[in-house]
Amino acid sequence: AQTVTQSQPEMSVQEAETVTLSCTYDTSESDYYLFWYKQPPSRQMILVIRQEAYKQQNATENRFSVNFQKAAKSFSLKISDSQLGDAAMYFCAYFGNEKLTFGTGTRLTIIP
Amino acid sequence: AAGVIQSPRHLIKEKRETATLKCYPIPRHDTVYWYQQGPGQDPQFLISFYEKMQSDKGSIPDRFSAQQFSDYHSELNMSSLELGDSALYFCASSPGPGLPGNIQYFGAGTRLSVL
Repeated sequence: AQTVTQSQPEMSVQEAETVTLSCTYDTSESDYYLFWYKQPPSRQMILVIRQEAYKQQNATENRFSVNFQKAAKSFSLKISDSQLGDAAMYFCAYFGNEKLTFGTGTRLTIIP
Repeated sequence: AAGVIQSPRHLIKEKRETATLKCYPIPRHDTVYWYQQGPGQDPQFLISFYEKMQSDKGSIPDRFSAQQFSDYHSELNMSSLELGDSALYFCASSPGPGLPGNIQYFGAGTRLSVL
């Protein structure tokens, strides 16, 4: 079974600074997808970024980028120029066998 | 753009009662997923449907059942409710499991409280 591990239960960053959230996963598959979802206090699950395992190029969406290391099974999220609206719980997720498996989440606090 | 619609948004039930949660996927999405998120927990996969057929099953109790209808909406039926069933229940939809990316778009969730 696939597992997803987020070793940082909480992180904080000064507004306008950069922060990196860590995620590792375990799988025996070679083709899969990885996601970062954001869950603000409203509890809505919002897709932040997606990475296809067969693509070596790291995905980027505006201020959000990933560092995907397939051999190491690592998938970290970098948030640049952090904004107050980035405060949320961030979940790393693996898509395989037609379902998402989530990590336990990292709560990100933005310090004004 | 249309999103995934879940109803009701909030539901309060007594122990041993029955609850029905509804999910209306994004138009032309034929795959629906249900997840349960307990307090302070990550979402856990319950069950999924593709083209009205169950496609996968996770840690869903036998007291729960679900189905997808001809218009692709889905309902999660929960019977003999227990206090531990109190959680946020998410529905997500995607445009078919065979398409690349398989992005799941989540609804706002139904918050179930069992008293």
